[in-house]
Amino acid sequence: AQSVTQLGSHVSVSEGALVLLRCNYSSSVPPYLFWYVQYPNQGLQLLLKYTSAATLVKGINGFEAEFKKSETSFHLTKPSAHMSDAAEYFCAVGGGGYNKLIFGAGTRLAVHP
Amino acid sequence: GAGVSQSPRYKVAKRGRDVALRCDSISGHVTLYWYRQTLGQGSEVLTYSQSDAQRDKSGRPSGRFSAERPERSVSTLKIQRTEQGDSAVYLCASSLGDHLGEKLFFGSGTQLSVL
Repeated sequence: AQSVTQLGSHVSVSEGALVLLRCNYSSSVPPYLFWYVQYPNQGLQLLLKYTSAATLVKGINGFEAEFKKSETSFHLTKPSAHMSDAAEYFCAVGGGGYNKLIFGAGTRLAVHP
Repeated sequence: GAGVSQSPRYKVAKRGRDVALRCDSISGHVTLYWYRQTLGQGSEVLTYSQSDAQRDKSGRPSGRFSAERPERSVSTLKIQRTEQGDSAVYLCASSLGDHLGEKLFFGSGTQLSVL
């Protein structure tokens, strides 16, 4: 069985500040892990993915995430937030076959001046 | 089109009625998924289907949900005898193949409200 928990449904940061969005997973098989972003009135877009290669994964728009097996975590970070980063972010886990993913409940990121 | 599109964008249904939600995926994509996104609870896969020249394998979710794929790039999710608990955003996604980790392309969803 697999599951994903995103800690914090809302995160607010100042422009230029560090962004940290937390994700913990549970999986009985080696997991594939993903972060997706959703802007208003748009579909989910892939930010980055971990597929058992390097544990530090770099994605688009300056985001990166580190897979930590000992902590069962896959937190998303960005050194300096931009106003355009305001969106909802979803962590997802796969590994049960095909490309069926299980998504977390999402974290809404607000960036203020 | 350039991406996955879903229609309608919003749907209001009376409890007990049937609804049909449409997804136009990307031409050439083999696998198509329907997800249900519930506020505060994450998203779950309802069904997926694969198609190639020889065969079509359609997932068959239990109960009131079913998906049809009359054309390779078109899918219809049907919900019979809607219940208030069916209120959610229904997302369609497609991918070029069916391998785990393959990039999914999502539509912007259909928000269903059952009254």
